[in-house]
Amino acid sequence: EVQLLESGGGLVQPGGALRLSCVVSGFTFSNYAFNWVRQAPGKGLEWVAHVGGGGVNTDYADFVKGRFTISRDNSKNTLYLQMHSLRAEDSAVYYCAKDGFADNGVWDFFDYWGQGTLVTVSS
Amino acid sequence: EVVLTQSPGTLSVSPGERATLSCRASQSVDSSFVAWYQQKPGQAPRLLIYAASSRATGIPDRFRGSGLETDFTLTISRVEPEDFAVYYCQQYGYSPEMYTFGQGTKLEIK
Repeated sequence: EVQLLESGGGLVQPGGALRLSCVVSGFTFSNYAFNWVRQAPGKGLEWVAHVGGGGVNTDYADFVKGRFTISRDNSKNTLYLQMHSLRAEDSAVYYCAKDGFADNGVWDFFDYWGQGTLVTVSS
Repeated sequence: EVVLTQSPGTLSVSPGERATLSCRASQSVDSSFVAWYQQKPGQAPRLLIYAASSRATGIPDRFRGSGLETDFTLTISRVEPEDFAVYYCQQYGYSPEMYTFGQGTKLEIK
């Protein structure tokens, strides 16, 4: 059974930092690219970041470039999102999401999602 | 940048009726790279359709995706009580700039 379990969310002050984790099981983690997608309260879905299976290739939405870093530890089946210089507008539920196909050269649809972790940026 | 516009914002139907949800792109997109997701309150999104018309694993055949170029449609042939949720379309593809979501359509009980 495929499982994705996020953790690390919480309340942080503007300008602060937080690291999210997503532990994955049920398939060969290193074969797939992964993503972080966020959803502000009552709003729609917003792609944040993408990392390839090997952890070398990364991509970011413009609104987080230079502030967020996506990474992975394939030995621990874990995905990370390090967030710095947090702003109120970063407040959202953050989901980790798995690419649908392995190594197909496509920034792919998301076939499995975690349950999400809530980040609240407020003083 | 492609913008996906979903309509209507809210669709009210009775159980057993047909529901048709629209996703319109601001410019032509490759139909190989359109997906649909269902999200219920307090839950993560669930993949329904990828490549415009392929059903994801375990998705009932009452869900059907179709469309080309700028107009894509998710049709639920006979809405079941568990189908009331918010539905999002998504474009993906050969670059991260192609990752966009529509704003969502809420399917509610009439």
